[in-house]
Amino acid sequence: GAGVSQTPSNKVTEKGKYVELRCDPISGHTALYWYRQSLGQGPEFLIYFQGTGAADDSGLPNDRFFAVRPEGSVSTLKIQRTERGDSAVYLCASSRGVNTEAFFGQGTRLTVV
Amino acid sequence: DQQVKQNSPSLSVQEGRISILNCDYTNSMFDYFLWYKKYPAEGPTFLISISSIKDKNEDGRFTVFLNKSAKHLSLHIVPSQPGDSAVYFCAAISGGGADGLTFGKGTHLIIQP
Repeated sequence: GAGVSQTPSNKVTEKGKYVELRCDPISGHTALYWYRQSLGQGPEFLIYFQGTGAADDSGLPNDRFFAVRPEGSVSTLKIQRTERGDSAVYLCASSRGVNTEAFFGQGTRLTVV
Repeated sequence: DQQVKQNSPSLSVQEGRISILNCDYTNSMFDYFLWYKKYPAEGPTFLISISSIKDKNEDGRFTVFLNKSAKHLSLHIVPSQPGDSAVYFCAAISGGGADGLTFGKGTHLIIQP
């Protein structure tokens, strides 16, 4: 596709449920990032993939959060036992490499009720 | 602890005048800086960047200035246009970029007709 695609655009889930958020990066981009943006804040780094491997997952808040990118393209962010505090916009970005312009998707707005 | 600070949550500027958005950072390891623009319900869009080896980068109506000794950068938009109304995020990256972008909280720029 022409840009980074994220699905779903909106997700409402009940506390305690499991959710998966999908990111389809720009074709050929080897670097993929997940960010979380809470109201009134800037995007906060979660995890970075270079190819298939998670090069840095230091931003994941706890072990309920996990992300995969099995074939070096599409990535899925998985959140177990969701909590109300997980409500935020989850942004995905991809780039040709580090220190190059990162292109963002439109985000997935997650609401945990 | 905010490593990238945008101290003005909002800024109102008359159409045709210059808009100046400011950003301060604390991490001396940052060596690449970017400005992103964000409209509601969309992901951030890359605007302009600057490497720490430069003190100015210009692209059309947008100019970014970097003052390394003061750990300060600014984005100048001239002349300001109604379509420039958006939230502007300052972001920084260090070394290999594996930690992703560190964002400020954003400044909401409002261009008044």
